[in-house]
Amino acid sequence: EVQLLESGGGLVQPGGSLRLSCAASGFTFSSHGMSWVRQAPGKGLEWVSGISGSADTIYYADSVKGRFTISRDNSKNTLYLQMNSLRVEDTAVYYCAKKGIFGLIIIHAFDIWGQGTMVTVSS
Amino acid sequence: EIVLTQSPGTLSLSPGERATLSCRASQSVSSSYVAWYQQKPGQAPRLLVFGASSRATGIPDRFSGSGSGTDFTLTISRLEPEDFAVYYCQQYGSSPLYIFGQGTKLEIK
Repeated sequence: EVQLLESGGGLVQPGGSLRLSCAASGFTFSSHGMSWVRQAPGKGLEWVSGISGSADTIYYADSVKGRFTISRDNSKNTLYLQMNSLRVEDTAVYYCAKKGIFGLIIIHAFDIWGQGTMVTVSS
Repeated sequence: EIVLTQSPGTLSLSPGERATLSCRASQSVSSSYVAWYQQKPGQAPRLLVFGASSRATGIPDRFSGSGSGTDFTLTISRLEPEDFAVYYCQQYGSSPLYIFGQGTKLEIK
């Protein structure tokens, strides 16, 4: 079964740091681009960061650039998000999501999502 | 930066009725890069449609997507009780790499 399982969320003070992990199973992890998408309480979805299968291409939303770092360890089938200088507005459920493939065609959408991990930034 | 505007914000319908959800982009986008998701309370989003009109694996054929240029539509032909949820459109672009609409809540009338 294809599965993504996030961990590492919690309560942190403004200015603090947190590292999220996403363990993947059921597919060839290194062959797929991955992203982090967040959702503030009661709000919509916001893409945060993405990384290619080989980690040679990385993108960030402007709102997190310079503060968050995405990485992956293909030997451990795990995606990471290092979050530094956290702000109250970073409070959200953070989802990891797999870039989809339909047959042999890469699709520009997310076909598998984890269950999410909650990050709360508050003093 | 492209902005995706979904309408209506809330749609109240009864089971068995037809639902039409709209997603308008602030500038023309490639239909290959438009997707739709369904999200139920406390759950992760689920991919319904990619490439504007292709159904994802396991999605019932009552869900269909269409559109081009700046106007895209998700249609649910005959609503089932489990279809009441929030729906998001999404566009893949340049900066930011992915953009989501603000969502349409489909509620039971």
